[in-house]
Amino acid sequence: QKEVEQNSGPLSVPEGAIASLNCTYSDRVSQSFFWYRQYSGKSPELIMSIYSNGDKEDGRFTAQLNKASQYVSLLIRDSQPSDSATYLCAVVPKGGSEKLVFGKGTKLTVNP
Amino acid sequence: DAGITQSPRHKVTETGTPVTLRCHQTENHRYMYWYRQDPGHGLRLIHYSYGVKDTDKGEVSDGYSVSRSKTEDFLLTLESATSSQTSVYFCAISDNRGATEAFFGQGTRLTVV
Repeated sequence: QKEVEQNSGPLSVPEGAIASLNCTYSDRVSQSFFWYRQYSGKSPELIMSIYSNGDKEDGRFTAQLNKASQYVSLLIRDSQPSDSATYLCAVVPKGGSEKLVFGKGTKLTVNP
Repeated sequence: DAGITQSPRHKVTETGTPVTLRCHQTENHRYMYWYRQDPGHGLRLIHYSYGVKDTDKGEVSDGYSVSRSKTEDFLLTLESATSSQTSVYFCAISDNRGATEAFFGQGTRLTVV
């Protein structure tokens, strides 16, 4: 099992809808979880980090972490065409590790 | 934007030749990473560094070597380039153990013909 798995998509939602992106990870002792956004032809940029169970909100973005289920998600409310990008889930697989492991990404398209 | 510069931005090289990619940072961050990104595979870690002259392998390190003689520079060398190493290479930096809040360079598109 790959350490970090995401649905490759593509995911298509209408403008104004909620986009839901999901990620599972294999290492139970993982401590740190991140969501990166990558526009086509550009480099990844960090949009959310989450370290403890529950929800973390930042503007239209909400990250949700459930360590018991080894599951992390990203919700984008009021989706805009400018949110169209590939979203990468990333995990630090072991406590104290220097490595950051990425999923393959989910391509999101928001249709006007 | 974090001060990370990758060079070159684009390169075409022939099979069997050595190639060196450079990552330069002005943030004085301790940790530096090299990733490659390929369709269907996402970002995969090649090598990383946790200090000057301190490096370790990632998941796809075969055929690559790295060096870090100064805090600001992290070099990735393809010892004898192959077509399978055609990819987009990203450098990332972080000030924290565990790569929290890693910032990425602009990427280098390498084509091996």
